[in-house]
Amino acid sequence: DGGITQSPKYLFRKEGQNVTLSCEQNLNHDAMYWYRQDPGQGLRLIYYSQIVNDFQKGDIAEGYSVSREKKESFPLTVTSAQKNPTAFYLCASSTYQGAGELFFGEGSRLTVL
Amino acid sequence: KNQVEQSPQSLIILEGKNCTLQCNYTVSPFSNLRWYKQDTGRGPVSLTIMTFSENTKSNGRYTATLDADTKQSSLHITASQLSDSASYICVVSVYDNNAGNMLTFGGGTRLMVKP
Repeated sequence: DGGITQSPKYLFRKEGQNVTLSCEQNLNHDAMYWYRQDPGQGLRLIYYSQIVNDFQKGDIAEGYSVSREKKESFPLTVTSAQKNPTAFYLCASSTYQGAGELFFGEGSRLTVL
Repeated sequence: KNQVEQSPQSLIILEGKNCTLQCNYTVSPFSNLRWYKQDTGRGPVSLTIMTFSENTKSNGRYTATLDADTKQSSLHITASQLSDSASYICVVSVYDNNAGNMLTFGGGTRLMVKP
């Protein structure tokens, strides 16, 4: 079945460690996005990519990094520079420039101990 | 600043009852408005997408309305079921020539349906 797969579902990290969240899609979508969700707040855009080997910062990119070496994959690294990384992270994809439906993965919950 | 405000923040209703969720936005230039359902700990799932020219759109027991003049939308749920318990998120899209469709998310309405 076509869709977006995020892994891991749950992740625990010690302070000072970098962690990478995986996002893979087999929908043949050009655009991919990473969002952060905190309780009671709307989703906030971290990074997005419209095509392979190109990505743009969103509203809250500080402390995060991404790569887009393949169309299917858009991993997110939460670095030690991110001050408050505990959150629910959602990956999404859509057709070029987000013109169509936005499909979300099941999310990854990161907890910093 | 583009903003999307949803009300109420939370709502409890009895199974079988109807309810209406509200969304007000200050987004320009408007491209489309979307409603998503998000179960706890899961990713959001699309319910409807409406463009400027659409006033009403239905998806089963879910009916979304859009008033582009007053910049308001509502999501009406008919004959609620226990499985409707979730957060409902209003999302407004702005089209940017360089970035494409950029989305502004509301904070969501958390709906609980009780037996």
